[in-house]
Amino acid sequence: GPKVLQIPSHQIIDMGQMVTLNCDPVSNHLYFYWYKQILGQQMEFLVNFYNGKVMEKSKLFKDQFSVERPDGSYFTLKIQPTALEDSAVYFCASSLLRKDTQYFGPGTRLLVL
Amino acid sequence: GQQVQQSPASLVLQEGENAELQCNFSSTATQLQWFYQSPGGSLVSLLSNPSGTKHTGRLTSTTVTKERRSSLHISSSQTTDSGTYLCAIDRGTGNYKYVFGAGTRLKVIA
Repeated sequence: GPKVLQIPSHQIIDMGQMVTLNCDPVSNHLYFYWYKQILGQQMEFLVNFYNGKVMEKSKLFKDQFSVERPDGSYFTLKIQPTALEDSAVYFCASSLLRKDTQYFGPGTRLLVL
Repeated sequence: GQQVQQSPASLVLQEGENAELQCNFSSTATQLQWFYQSPGGSLVSLLSNPSGTKHTGRLTSTTVTKERRSSLHISSSQTTDSGTYLCAIDRGTGNYKYVFGAGTRLKVIA
């Protein structure tokens, strides 16, 4: 089936640094999502993105977070600066239409020291 | 309150036994997916089943939309089935986003 890729699979950085998580969505999909899962906790919605704009974001999507997809390349989640509580697995997803099935990537495990 | 509730929270089976996992949700769902999350954290979509019954391999999901519940049946469990099974719904209200349950942790022993 359709695949969503995420790069890197793991990232370790020092608190205060900037990190960019990359997502390669399904090629013809138009809607993009990020979810966050802190170790041992439930997966939670962060943000969705369409036509170059954030459509909806949750309270977990702090001011230090930003998303973009320049020129149809990777869909990225940038955290600047990072904090200890940003340590989590971040999952990217994409869907063709807003109401369609979302396809998830395998996740990027981020550890902030 | 909790929008997606999964039961049981954990389950231990002998290899070859069947598993029945439940997902109840408190609002209407236009999408419903079952996922497998490996002990390492990777996520794999198993079935998308907003209504009716779907089969794939040893998995069968039955969703009764009106009753806001879905089940995932795993037949002839194997040790490699061990991991966490997540249920997620899309409430279909305006902007679409998945709401996940806390999962059922399955351990299959040889």
